[in-house]
Amino acid sequence: DAKTTQPTSMDCAEGRAANLPCNHSTISGNEYVYWYRQIHSQGPQYIIHGLKNNETNEMASLIITEDRKSSTLILPHATLRDTAVYYCIGKAANNAGNMLTFGGGTRLMVKP
Amino acid sequence: NAGVTQTPKFQVLKTGQSMTLQCAQDMNHEYMSWYRQDPGMGLRLIHYSVGAGITDQGEVPNGYNVSRSTTEDFPLRLLSAAPSQTSVYFCASSLWGGETQYFGPGTRLLVL
Repeated sequence: DAKTTQPTSMDCAEGRAANLPCNHSTISGNEYVYWYRQIHSQGPQYIIHGLKNNETNEMASLIITEDRKSSTLILPHATLRDTAVYYCIGKAANNAGNMLTFGGGTRLMVKP
Repeated sequence: NAGVTQTPKFQVLKTGQSMTLQCAQDMNHEYMSWYRQDPGMGLRLIHYSVGAGITDQGEVPNGYNVSRSTTEDFPLRLLSAAPSQTSVYFCASSLWGGETQYFGPGTRLLVL
C-alpha cells in the first residue's frame, strides 16, 4: 500500500473550510485513498474514500489530483467537534487482512 | 445496531497474567480485525479474520491469540501479559475486504 505524507498539524478557524493535504506519490493504479479521523480517545472514524474522481459526502469532500499523487480533504465548515487527528491512507482493495496502514496523520485544531 | 462493541473499557494487569479482550459486531460483517495503538502512534494490525473459522496474523501478532467461532465475535487473548503490551486496543469490522471499516471504542490496557 502507498506511503502517505501529511503535515503534522494544522489550525483552522471555526466556520471556515479546513483543507487537509496528503501526498501519495507512490500510489498504484488499484489503490484507493481513504481518510479516517480519530477524535481524542475514540476509535477511528471513516470519512471518505476515492480512486480517481472527486468525491463528496455528508462529512467532507475529497479532491484527488489528475496524476493521483496527492489529494485534499475538505471540511467545508469546520466546527470545534472536527478537532481530531486525520489520517490519509492508501489501500488496495482486498489487501491481506483489509489492513489500514496508519501513519502519523494531521492533528487539526479548530479554534473559536 | 450497536455497531462494534468492546469490553472491558479499561483493564489493569500484572505481568504474566492472561486475559481476553472481547469484541462483537451486529452488522453481519465478515471481516474483523484487532489493532493496537501506542501513545502518539498510529494503529498497527495484530490479527484479522476474513470469516468464521478463519484467522491470520497481522503486523504485530506476537503475544496474542485469536479465534473466530461465530461471525459476531472476535476475542483477543493475551497469553502472558507484558508491560510492552500496554496500549489501547481497537477492534474493527467491515463487510468485505474493500469496504470501509467500523471501529469499536477501544480497550485501554495497562500492564504493570
